[in-house]
Order: sequence, then structure tokens, then C-alpha cells
Amino acid sequence: AQSVAQPEDQVNVAEGNPLTVKCTYSVSGNPYLFWYVQYPNRGLQFLLKYITGDNLVKGSYGFEAEFNKSQTSFHLKKPSALVSDSALYFCAVRTPGGSYIPTFGRGTSLIVHP
Amino acid sequence: DGGITQSPKYLFRKEGQNVTLSCEQNLNHDAMYWYRQDPGQGLRLIYYSQIVNDFQKGDIAEGYSVSREKKESFPLTVTSAQKNPTAFYLCASRDRPDGINYGYTFGSGTRLTVV
Repeated sequence: AQSVAQPEDQVNVAEGNPLTVKCTYSVSGNPYLFWYVQYPNRGLQFLLKYITGDNLVKGSYGFEAEFNKSQTSFHLKKPSALVSDSALYFCAVRTPGGSYIPTFGRGTSLIVHP
Repeated sequence: DGGITQSPKYLFRKEGQNVTLSCEQNLNHDAMYWYRQDPGQGLRLIYYSQIVNDFQKGDIAEGYSVSREKKESFPLTVTSAQKNPTAFYLCASRDRPDGINYGYTFGSGTRLTVV
């Protein structure tokens, strides 16, 4: 079985400050991890993924995420938040093989204040 | 540009009606998926199809039906058996089930409201 937890329903940060959106996972075997962003009434957009290799993954719009196997975490980060980063963020996990269906977290609403 | 088109963007359904949500992709992707999104519940998988003429139930398939007669198209019918259909519906695709890109491409969604 695979599962994802996003422990925060909402994250508030001031523009220009660093932001972190948390994600922890549980899988049997090696994880494939993903972050997506959703703007209101839109579909999800792919931000970044971890498959293998370097634990620090860089993605779109200046976002990055760090894979931590010992803590089973894949937190999303950005050094300096923008008001336009305000959106709903989803973490997802799947394993190689099987049905190839990822499990999504419940989402975290990021609000960046001017 | 390649992508996924969902239509309509907004849909209103009367009690007891069946309605069909359209999902078309020109990405030449093999696998297609339907998700339901409710506030605070994330995405829940309704149905998926990894190849033409084949599809599988997801976690919440009751009250829904799909078909996959063409690679490009994966319509979702919300039947009258679905007691709480008001939600945002998202269609997604991937180039192969194990896709080299590993991630999904999503459509812009259809918001269905029961009136």
C-alpha cells in the first residue's frame, strides 16, 4: 500500500520569505515522488519529480524539493515566495511497477501575503 | 500545442439525469484517468484506462461509467446512481502506464453541479 500525508491544510508566508510545504509518504519499496500545483478552477500542473539520484530536485518556477529517505519526506521549498505562488499544492507518490497509479495527498493551500 | 481538453467547463445536472463529461487528448498518450476533487479531500480516482478498449475501476467507481473506444477519448458518464455528483472532475493522461515522463498531464477540469 502507498500513502501520502500533507500535514498542513494551509501555509501562510510573507512575500520574499522562504516557504516550505510538507509531505511525508509511505510505500513498500523505492518511491517515485511528485509535486503538482493547482490554480483555482484549473487542472494540476507538474512542478517536479524525484525518481532516483540527487536528493535535491529542482523544478519549475524556482521550486525545489528534498528527498529524505530516513524521514520518508519530500518537502517542497522555495527561497523567496511570490504572491503569484499562492495556489493549492499536491504531493503524490507511486512505486515502480504495479498499476502505476499514484496516490495524491489532500493538498496544501499556500497563501503568500504581500 | 498538444494537451488535454475537457468540456464543458461548467455543467449543471438535474436530479435523476445522466450526464457525460468529455476528455480528449492529442498527446498520443496510452493511459488516461478520471479523478474527482472535493474540497479538503484531494484527488480520488474514479476510472482509468491503460489501453484502448480496456478500463479499470478506481477507488470510487460506483455511479460512474466510462468508455475507451479511441486512444484520444475517454468520456465519463455520471449516472443517476451517483448520489452526490457535485464536484470538480479532472481528466489526466500519461504517455505509457509506466511513462518515461513519470508524471501526468491534466486537463482544466469540469465543474459539475446538481440543481
